[in-house]
Parts: sequence; structure tokens; C-alpha cells
Amino acid sequence: GQQVMQIPQYQHVQEGEDFTTYCNSSTTLSNIQWYKQRPGGHPVFLIQLVKSGEVKKQKRLTFQFGEAKKNSSLHITATQTTDVGTYFCAGEADRGSTLGRLYFGRGTQLTVWP
Amino acid sequence: DGGITQSPKYLFRKEGQNVTLSCEQNLNHDAMYWYRQDPGQGLRLIYYSQIVNDFQKGDIAEGYSVSREKKESFPLTVTSAQKNPTAFYLCASMVNWGEAFFGQGTRLTVV
Repeated sequence: GQQVMQIPQYQHVQEGEDFTTYCNSSTTLSNIQWYKQRPGGHPVFLIQLVKSGEVKKQKRLTFQFGEAKKNSSLHITATQTTDVGTYFCAGEADRGSTLGRLYFGRGTQLTVWP
Repeated sequence: DGGITQSPKYLFRKEGQNVTLSCEQNLNHDAMYWYRQDPGQGLRLIYYSQIVNDFQKGDIAEGYSVSREKKESFPLTVTSAQKNPTAFYLCASMVNWGEAFFGQGTRLTVV
């Protein structure tokens, strides 16, 4: 069945260092989304990527969607303590019987030391 | 304000008891979802519904039940058949091909 794998599970960085989390799907995705969950909170939508090879930036965050629409990455430049949380990728399957269902990765828990 | 509301925030269940978690949205979204979150496990899909009066099992539906009688509401019942119900439960709604909006979550503990 559909699977979305995300690595690493944990990442500890010092403030100012960069951070990257990677997402891989077993099948082609129609789109991929990224969410951030702060400790004790709920997931909040960050961005959606739809096109093959798409790259989007939000300030220090850079999101990429692979050419085959099976993988994605989130890169944070010069991390800050406000970046602490768990980052999830979520892929939506190509049109078919699982229309409208998101497949979440396990998430990468980011800790930033001041 | 448009949004998705879960209640209660904290819930305690005795062994053998059924409990119902509430989820209401006023975003006019057709699709609604229930996820369970355990430490290190990410989000696991329990049930989802794409239209009123219809719903599908997710990956971990055993011991849970849902109903979708109204577009705005998608309550989840954790039955006594669910042997390990202690977890953080998240409800979400979504427009197809769009972003998911999550509620604040319900933390369920068995006492």
C-alpha cells in the first residue's frame, strides 16, 4: 500500500546551523504538503507542492518536490529556537480510490540548542 | 472565525468504558479525518469521511467507530474493544487537493 517514509526521526542542532528533513513515497504523488507541530500543539500547514521539480521558499525555509513526484525535502537555513517542533510531510495519492487521503510521514523532531 | 473545534481537550476513560470525542468544523469542507498520534509514531489514520453519511476505515480502525450525519460534525467513539486507547487524537478537515486544517486535539487517558 501507499507509504511515505521520512528521515531522520530526530535532529538536534545548534542555533544557526542548517537542518534538512527528507520524505520518500513508494508511489507517485499528486501533491505533497508540509506541516509543523509545536510541542503540545497541533499540526499547522506550511506549504503545498504540486509540480514536478517545484521549489518554494518561505523566508529561511526551502521546500522541494522531486522530478518523479515521489520525494520531497524541507531545508531550514540558520535555525532559530522558534523552529523547534516536529515537521511532517504528507503526500496525497494520485487520483484513484484513495482520493482526498493524506499519507503522513512519521515526522522529524527538531531540537535547537541556543 | 472559521475553524475546526475538538472537545474535550482532556478526557479520562475507565477500563471497559466507551467515550466519544467531538469534532465540529465550520469551514464547509466535505472531507473530515481522525488521526491518532503516539510518541514517535507520527499521525495514523483511524477513519475518514468524504461526504455525509459515508466513511471509510483508515489504517487503525479496530476499536473505533464514527458517524457523519451532518457535514459539520464527525464524532469518534473509542470503544471498550480498543485495548490501548491512551493517545492524542486529532481531527482534521480538508478540501480535496488542498491543505488539512487540524483541531487542537483531545488527549485521552485510561485510568
